[in-house]
Amino acid sequence: SQQGEEDPQALSIQEGENATMNCSYKTSINNLQWYRQNSGRGLVHLILIRSNEREKHSGRLRVTLDTSKKSSSLLITASRAADTASYFCATGRNNAGNMLTFGGGTRLMVKP
Amino acid sequence: DTAVSQTPKYLVTQMGNDKSIKCEQNLGHDTMYWYKQDSKKFLKIMFSYNNKELIINETVPNRFSPKSPDKAHLNLHINSLELGDSAVYFCASSQDTGYNSPLHFGNGTRLTVT
Repeated sequence: SQQGEEDPQALSIQEGENATMNCSYKTSINNLQWYRQNSGRGLVHLILIRSNEREKHSGRLRVTLDTSKKSSSLLITASRAADTASYFCATGRNNAGNMLTFGGGTRLMVKP
Repeated sequence: DTAVSQTPKYLVTQMGNDKSIKCEQNLGHDTMYWYKQDSKKFLKIMFSYNNKELIINETVPNRFSPKSPDKAHLNLHINSLELGDSAVYFCASSQDTGYNSPLHFGNGTRLTVT
């Protein structure tokens, strides 16, 4: 089974609104990463948050991590049509070698 | 100046054939990977190489054989292709073997087996 599970599976919002995507995982982790995938393209790394961090920002992106609840959220503020993509969380564990385990992604559509 | 490039982008072939996908990275990274993305978008790691040595080999049929001639290249050869092999295959690289390194992905090879 997948280590990370994103929620919701699909999200449709209007341009200018905020988009929140959640990720839950099952075992302890050392870090959690978020990636974006545009249609027909490879994944692009967005943010890495370590297990001892609670929040991280990058431009319009804000990631939170709650290790007690084994969950993370990705917030995109003031969304744009160009943010339309699939967003994946990936977890890294030190007893899993250098393997990152990905969830199934949230498909975000931002309508202009 | 594409960082991780893989060829071909599309591959359509018949069951039973043998095919290869090539990957090259110009980032100077030590570690390279092959991931498989199914029709439901789930990404699963297949192999990981560090400095030409295999370090991860997930439960993948023996028909799949990775080859790393040098640390900038990781090719994937598939023998006796089956319908279930149809998927998008992604090559990726990272600075080191640690899971703390962001992965840089190629744009994928869409394999269709008929």
